[in-house]
Amino acid sequence: DVKVTQSSRYLVKRTGEKVFLECVQDMDHENMFWYRQDPGLGLRLIYFSYDVKMKEKGDIPEGYSVSREKKERFSLILESASTNQTSMYLCAGRGGATDTQYFGPGTRLTVL
Amino acid sequence: GDSVTQMEGPVTLSEEAFLTINCTYTATGYPSLFWYVQYPGEGLQLLLKATKADDKGSNKGFEATYRKETTSFHLEKGSVQVSDSAVYFCALITPTRGSYIPTFGRGTSLIVHP
Repeated sequence: DVKVTQSSRYLVKRTGEKVFLECVQDMDHENMFWYRQDPGLGLRLIYFSYDVKMKEKGDIPEGYSVSREKKERFSLILESASTNQTSMYLCAGRGGATDTQYFGPGTRLTVL
Repeated sequence: GDSVTQMEGPVTLSEEAFLTINCTYTATGYPSLFWYVQYPGEGLQLLLKATKADDKGSNKGFEATYRKETTSFHLEKGSVQVSDSAVYFCALITPTRGSYIPTFGRGTSLIVHP
């Protein structure tokens, strides 16, 4: 089975802190994605990556950056966390030959 | 741009009831359509999909038919179980968005009571 793992299930940070959310996939997916999920808003795409060292902005990139130094790892970075970034963050991977996304379990981030 | 509209939840049913969750879409080109399910405390997982008009996707007793004429992909199940309680997301992919980036609906929460 495809496996996408996220480094933390729950995270509490303070306003202004730099936050790293890590995602690792084990299926050699070229494409990886970061979403945030908020009640009533569904999933919104933050950033995605087609390959190592490549990144593209999604629908809501402001306040976020990403890093993809290795194919299996895609990190989401909050340079200076703010309370409006309190959310559930979901990572997903997709292999080149399929249109199905495989999601990690999510990280629930609270910024105080 | 592309968009997906789902019925608002929560949908609350008794066990063994019939389920319908409506999904309609707007898209340029010919999208592939998906239903994803998110169980409590988990990420999303693919439930079923259909890639062309009149195709029926099915899995775990759930079904959805790609209706091009009504731009719909409604999810149905004949007899729900408590274990079906989850959030259901309708989604589409079109080549116009590039590289299989899906457009998701806002999700519909299903609560099934014993």
